[in-house]
Amino acid sequence: DAKTTQPPSMDCAEGRAANLPCNHSTISGNEYVYWYRQIHSQGPQYIIHGLKNNETNEMASLIITEDRKSSTLILPHATLRDTAVYYCIVRVAGANSKLTFGKGITLSVRP
Amino acid sequence: NAGVTQTPKFRILKIGQSMTLQCTQDMNHNYMYWYRQDPGMGLKLIYYSVGAGITDKGEVPNGYNVSRSTTEDFPLRLELAAPSQTSVYFCASSYSTSGGYNEQFFGPGTRLTVL
Repeated sequence: DAKTTQPPSMDCAEGRAANLPCNHSTISGNEYVYWYRQIHSQGPQYIIHGLKNNETNEMASLIITEDRKSSTLILPHATLRDTAVYYCIVRVAGANSKLTFGKGITLSVRP
Repeated sequence: NAGVTQTPKFRILKIGQSMTLQCTQDMNHNYMYWYRQDPGMGLKLIYYSVGAGITDKGEVPNGYNVSRSTTEDFPLRLELAAPSQTSVYFCASSYSTSGGYNEQFFGPGTRLTVL
């Protein structure tokens, strides 16, 4: 699986959009970008995934650059409950594909 | 649905003791996983199972054993506990089909300390 690079931390103000970047310059054509988050001491939670098109669900939006070498997870209106570690993971979709978690990015939402 | 449940929530072991971490899911998922998370680090895969009777090693299997006799249960066994196994253990499950992706659902974790 391709390696991902995320800054260690960032913060944003409550109610504002949080834009979390991820670099995956060695991504291959059949690898998807996945985002999970882990709120303090809890198990990770799936957020969203995409291949090359931008994706949106009730939690977030995922913007993938045209060359697919980087992506941004957008939380449109961050709340205090969004404070968590966010993991960007690249992997092939399929039955035997497993998740590899790096250190992620710690998002702190301030009041 | 309860989702993925893990027991116990906390445990302290002495070096050399054994224990089994329990994991149960009620979503009829075929895939199940065990991860460990050391402080300040991401999760590392210990073992996984693609269905009852089938298990395979992950990234860090040494010191652990698993079994999968039913779809619902995936226990993790520590035979001779060592301080290096002090960690938080997460169980997860997913319904995976060939060529597709389905999200992994995680349990609340078991916090294990080996002294």
